[in-house]
Amino acid sequence: AQSVTQPDIHITVSEGASLELRCNYSYGATPYLFWYVQYPGQHLQLLLKYFSGDPLVKGIKGFEAEFIKSKFSFNLRKPSVQWSDTAEYFCAVMSNSGNTPLVFGKGTRLSVIA
Amino acid sequence: DTAVSQTPKYLVTQMGNDKSIKCEQNLGHDTMYWYKQDSKKFLKIMFSYNNKELIINETVPNRFSPKSPDKAHLNLHINSLELGDSAVYFCASSLLTVSYGYTFGSGTRLTVV
Repeated sequence: AQSVTQPDIHITVSEGASLELRCNYSYGATPYLFWYVQYPGQHLQLLLKYFSGDPLVKGIKGFEAEFIKSKFSFNLRKPSVQWSDTAEYFCAVMSNSGNTPLVFGKGTRLSVIA
Repeated sequence: DTAVSQTPKYLVTQMGNDKSIKCEQNLGHDTMYWYKQDSKKFLKIMFSYNNKELIINETVPNRFSPKSPDKAHLNLHINSLELGDSAVYFCASSLLTVSYGYTFGSGTRLTVV
């Protein structure tokens, strides 16, 4: 069965600092990988996704993620965070056949301080 | 022009009551889902319907019964509500065959008192 691990429950960074949120997955084949963001009190929004091809994917709001197959990782990065990036970030995986639902990690809460 | 809309947004009810949450999508997607987000923000799939047919039914109490009258709607009915049912319930939709990710609704915060 697929599973997703986000080892960091809560991260605090200063505005302007760089950010990396970790995500590791467990799956028998190369899955589809996603990062979602949930701002306080809001629904989940898709930041970016990886299906195949270039392992470095760029998303909205200046975020990017790198798929490293050998490490079963799909870490999210941003070179310079803003206060408005304060949110909960979820990594998610699904099979590339599309016949299993999206499975989420437990999320990483990001707090950006001045 | 909301893509996935859920009603109500908030629901406060007493233990033992029966309640329903409605979900509608106007994206032309063929698959819809219900997820439960607990107090620790963990998201877990509950049900999935493809073209009105149930395709995923995770380990959920029988008190939860989804209904899909057509592929644009997926409702969730909950009988005999318990304190532990308090959570945020998210509806989502996608295309089953082309997995561009799911589009989520804004959630229904259910509080059982």
